Amino acid sequence: SAVISQKPSRDICQRGTSLTIQCQVDSQVTMMFWYRQQPGQSLTLIATANQGSEATYESGFVIDKFPISRPNLTFSTLTVSNMSPEDSSIYLCSVTGPDRTGQLYTFGSGTRLTVV
Amino acid sequence: AQTVTQSQPEMSVQEAETVTLSCTYDTSESDYYLFWYKQPPSRQMILVIRQEAYKQQNATENRFSVNFQKAAKSFSLKISDSQLGDAAMYFCALKLRQGGSEKLVFGKGTKLTVNP
Repeated sequence: SAVISQKPSRDICQRGTSLTIQCQVDSQVTMMFWYRQQPGQSLTLIATANQGSEATYESGFVIDKFPISRPNLTFSTLTVSNMSPEDSSIYLCSVTGPDRTGQLYTFGSGTRLTVV
Repeated sequence: AQTVTQSQPEMSVQEAETVTLSCTYDTSESDYYLFWYKQPPSRQMILVIRQEAYKQQNATENRFSVNFQKAAKSFSLKISDSQLGDAAMYFCALKLRQGGSEKLVFGKGTKLTVNP
């Protein structure tokens, strides 16, 4: 399975600021996703990062708040903009492939964000 | 609506015993994938087992096996010979296709405690 490096692993940020999270994969992957896990909750998909084009956002998530880039097949960034305490969550990068079935979803170790 | 339901917020098991975690789902698709993920306190999401819906045979991975009942839309996880290292949050997930994209939908999770 792919190996994902997600940075930073944690951060404490002031409200009103922005944080960019990086996801680097050791091999070319088919799809890249960004999930949010609020405290004590399950994972919710924020968006699918598309190479060279705008990300596909899920209902309730907008580009102005969560801009995403994916310049190539192995790297993506998620920015949490104009942060408020409600943005305190774990943010996880996930990828599919390389796997002959294309059904292997691997996750990064997550970024624990605390907004004060 | 495509949903995943885990009705057991918490479960406990004695070391070396067997425990079953429940998951039901709802989808209108005929071909789909189901997954169980484990999330220990380190917050790393670890794939435990996956099942292709078109396969009638239940998936097994060492001490982990599933009972996949397609008609009932049930996908339970059985952990045999439980070990202390099995203690974690367990999430059931359903892979959905949306147009040309896809995503995982997660249940709310079951916290498993293993007692020595």
